[in-house]
Amino acid sequence: DVKVTQSSRYLVKRTGEKVFLECVQDMDHENMFWYRQDPGLGLRLIYFSYDVKMKEKGDIPEGYSVSREKKERFSLILESASTNQTSMYLCASTPRRLARDTQYFGPGTRLTVL
Amino acid sequence: AQSVTQPDIHITVSEGASLELRCNYSYGATPYLFWYVQSPGQGLQLLLKYFSGDTLVQGIKGFEAEFKRSQSSFNLRKPSVHWSDAAEYFCAVGPGTYKYIFGTGTRLKVLA
Repeated sequence: DVKVTQSSRYLVKRTGEKVFLECVQDMDHENMFWYRQDPGLGLRLIYFSYDVKMKEKGDIPEGYSVSREKKERFSLILESASTNQTSMYLCASTPRRLARDTQYFGPGTRLTVL
Repeated sequence: AQSVTQPDIHITVSEGASLELRCNYSYGATPYLFWYVQSPGQGLQLLLKYFSGDTLVQGIKGFEAEFKRSQSSFNLRKPSVHWSDAAEYFCAVGPGTYKYIFGTGTRLKVLA
């Protein structure tokens, strides 16, 4: 089974802190994604990566950056956390760059910024 | 613009009743279509997907969905709902090479 893990299930940070969210997949997938999930808004794409050291902006990249130094690991960075970044963050991966591929999701990290 | 619409934010059904969750999409060509389920506190799990062939697709947990090109719809159905089906359901479109578009979700409540 494909497994996507996220470093924390729950995280509480203070405004202005630098926050790292880590995601690891164990199936040699090419593509990895970071989404933000908010009630009534569904999933919104923050960034994705289709290869090591490659990244593309999604729909809401402002206030976020990413890093993919190894194929299996994709990190989301909040350079200076703000209260409006309180949300559920979901990581996902797909085997290839094909629109028919299933996305495999991690369990999510619920981030609260105080 | 490409979009996915799930018109029902909340749906409540009694256990044993039938279920239909609606999904409409806007896209120029035949898209790849997905239904995912998110149980409380969990990530999303694929229920089923469609990209060609038979327009009635069978998935896991007894769910099925029908692609109707003329209506730009991909509605999810289950003939008899179980209490464990209570969750949030997302319709998604894979229109291009890498980007997926999700609907806003439908939260299902099941009454005992």
